[in-house]
Amino acid sequence: DVVLTQTPPTLSATIGQSVSISCRSSQSLLHSNGNTYLNWLLQRPGQPPQLLIYLVSRLESGVPNRFSGSGSGTDFTLKISGVEAEDLGVYYCVQSTHALWTFGGGTKLELK
Amino acid sequence: QVQLQQSGAELAKPGSSVKISCKASGYTFTSYYISWIKQTTGQGLEYIGYINTGSGGTNYNEKFKGKATLTVDKSSSTAFMQLSSLTPDDSAVYYCARVIAYWGQGTLVTVSS
Repeated sequence: DVVLTQTPPTLSATIGQSVSISCRSSQSLLHSNGNTYLNWLLQRPGQPPQLLIYLVSRLESGVPNRFSGSGSGTDFTLKISGVEAEDLGVYYCVQSTHALWTFGGGTKLELK
Repeated sequence: QVQLQQSGAELAKPGSSVKISCKASGYTFTSYYISWIKQTTGQGLEYIGYINTGSGGTNYNEKFKGKATLTVDKSSSTAFMQLSSLTPDDSAVYYCARVIAYWGQGTLVTVSS
């Protein structure tokens, strides 16, 4: 099974601060078709998760461009360039390269 | 627009079963698999498995084999998940999702005597 390890588990930030979240996979997420199906979700309290970034670095429609994703193979990063209040919640990386998705443990972003 | 509307909260007794529904709209139902995900406070997000909405074929996370049964009704564009032999550990919010981009609102299942 693919295991995704997310760090840090908790992140405290001030408004306007830039932060990064790491996601490391136990196996390469490069699919045989050449795509890497590593995605990032944000879950706000009481809401279902919403897609922020797919295919490592592609921004989902409507997502602000202060969010960016990078990485390849087994190491990936989500960066928020200038945290805003609406960004607070739990971030998850999730891989859909392999038939059965797996999720990282989550990173809770809170205000300092 | 794509929508996945899930059925309401369930309160069930240990040993019983529940069946959750996920009604899809805004796209051709049989063109996309439907996945199911479990969320508990302690365990985060766990992938249960998916169903091929065209063929009815399924693929389950080993952990949920024997616990979850996925089915579809193409005539109503609805996917179902039945959870059997319920225990308190099955208490969770369950989501359906179409690919990674579209999620239902979640169904809370509480197992208690």
